[in-house]
Amino acid sequence: GENVEQHPSTLSVQEGDSAVIKCTYSDSASNYFPWYKQELGKRPQLIIDIRSNVGEKKDQRIAVTLNKTAKHFSLHITETQPEDSAVYFCAASSFSNTGKLIFGQGTTLQVKP
Amino acid sequence: KAGVTQTPRYLIKTRGQQVTLSCSPISGHRSVSWYQQTPGQGLQFLFEYFSETQRNKGNFPGRFSGRQFSNSRSEMNVSTLELGDSALYLCASSLGGTHSGNTIYFGEGSWLTVV
Repeated sequence: GENVEQHPSTLSVQEGDSAVIKCTYSDSASNYFPWYKQELGKRPQLIIDIRSNVGEKKDQRIAVTLNKTAKHFSLHITETQPEDSAVYFCAASSFSNTGKLIFGQGTTLQVKP
Repeated sequence: KAGVTQTPRYLIKTRGQQVTLSCSPISGHRSVSWYQQTPGQGLQFLFEYFSETQRNKGNFPGRFSGRQFSNSRSEMNVSTLELGDSALYLCASSLGGTHSGNTIYFGEGSWLTVV
């Protein structure tokens, strides 16, 4: 069935370092891969997304890469700041189920000042 | 443009009762989906409605149901509440068209505690 595996579950970095979170999906029909940031007690907020016709996308300090052959996609945050501390979720959906997101288990990122 | 609005934000119910949660999507969005978030199970898809029809359904028991109105507003209902239903229930909306990658936006959620 549909599944998204996310690693690591926790990640601690020093301010200014880079952070990488990786996800693997099982459904080969998946073609949309968003990343959400969720701060404690708040809603998940979309920070970046990538569609299957693109291999990489950047937005300032955030980038996402997609390897459709390996069914992997990753989030890269450079020059981390304390305000980047949050839980990050990857997700996947497919053309036939555009309103249904399958989420990874989440990564708790802690950026130490 | 107003975001996704959910009501109520917080509620406490007793086992065996039922609850109805409401969601107003972003103006112009026709797809509304619901998710359950718990510490142990993470974010799990409940169902999606598009143009008043359930388009997708997750793996939840029949006690969980929903509907969508002609103005795209949606409600979800949980009957015969169990302690394990305590969770954050998130509503999300998107344009809903059948093309690659509808951007999905979440509401603030309804925190349900079952005692």
